[in-house]
This record gives sequence, C-alpha cells and structure tokens, in this order.
Amino acid sequence: QKEVEQDPGPLSVPEGAIVSLNCTYSNSAFQYFMWYRQYSRKGPELLMYTYSSGNKEDGRFTAQVDKSSKYISLFIRDSQPSDSATYLCAILSIQGAQKLVFGQGTRLTINP
Amino acid sequence: ETGVTQSPTHLIKTRGQQVTLRCSSQSGHNTVSWYQQALGQGPQFIFQYYREEENGRGNFPPRFSGLQFPNYSSELNVNALELDDSALYLCASSFPRGGSETQYFGPGTRLLVL
Repeated sequence: QKEVEQDPGPLSVPEGAIVSLNCTYSNSAFQYFMWYRQYSRKGPELLMYTYSSGNKEDGRFTAQVDKSSKYISLFIRDSQPSDSATYLCAILSIQGAQKLVFGQGTRLTINP
Repeated sequence: ETGVTQSPTHLIKTRGQQVTLRCSSQSGHNTVSWYQQALGQGPQFIFQYYREEENGRGNFPPRFSGLQFPNYSSELNVNALELDDSALYLCASSFPRGGSETQYFGPGTRLLVL
C-alpha cells in the first residue's frame, strides 16, 4: 500500500465549477500536509500548507484535513482555465530527513 | 518564481553513461532535497543534503549520489544510467526551523536515457 493515495484522474470540469481533489494517507504520525500545483513542464509550486485538522482558506482555494479518517482535500471555487494543471498532495514526513511523500497527482482541466 | 534554479533544463544520455545535474538553492536556504518524477507520477524522494552532509536517503541505489557545496548549491550524480532513469529530476530548497519546513522546487531537469 502506498503511503499517499491520490486519484490520478484526469478530471475535466467547466469554468466556474467547484472542484474537489482528494487524497488518503496511511501513517497517522503525519502532521503536515501540502498541496502543490504543477503546470506542464514546470516544477511543483506550493499552493496550500496545513498542520492540523480542519479547514484553511486562501482566496478561491480551501484545504481540508481530517486526521481521524486520514483524508485530505483541496477545493477550488469559481474554477478558471488558468487552474488547469496537475495537483499533487504531499505529506511531510519528519522521520529522519524531512521529506515530502507525494500522491500520484490529479490532472485537472478547466474548460472555458 | 521560487529562486531555485537547475541546470541543464534537458539532457539526453545513453545507457551506461553518467550524468551530473546541478541545483542552486534559494537565498538563505541551507537544505537541498532531490526528487525523481517519472511521467504521470508524483515526485519520489532521492536524498537530502543539509550543511554539506547527506541527511537522509530514499529507496534509490548507490549509483545515485550527491554533493552539497559551501554555498549550499548541490549536484546529483547518476552512474551507469538505465532506461528507467528517464524522468524529471527536481531539487527543492528549504530552511529547517526546528519544526516543519517548506520546500520550494526548481523547474527541474528532464533526463532522457536512450
């Protein structure tokens, strides 16, 4: 079983729709959760960073963590064509070196 | 832009050859991590360097090696290249502050092994 599971999609939605992206993880010791956005042929860009359970909002983006279910989500409101990218969830593992453990990534397309 | 730069942007090598990839970290960051991202997959941790010492390693064979220099820039070396080494190689820099650390990625080096 992978430490972080993410539905690879692809996911295609019309402009203006609410997008929900999800990941599950297996290690209950994980405490730090990130969402990265990766445009084609670019490096991942940090989008959201949460520590505890609950919601964190930044503009049109909301990150949600449910530690009891080991489930993390990213919601995008009023989606725009410029949001079309691959979204990667990542867990920061602090056992030994602080390394990021990524999900497979979900490829998202927002259609005008 | 994160301020993390990588060179070269693209590289083509043949099986058995050796390759060196370079990374300059963001100003003030003393930790560099390297990741391998195969096509359609999330990045996988290769290793991390902190103050010129290897600080942890993922599930990669010894033919993957690295260096960090006094200015905190870093190199990733891969010997005896295999076809499966074809991937996007990413470096990320960070500055540990005793708790969590945020890692900022460079644009990557795309390696193709023929």
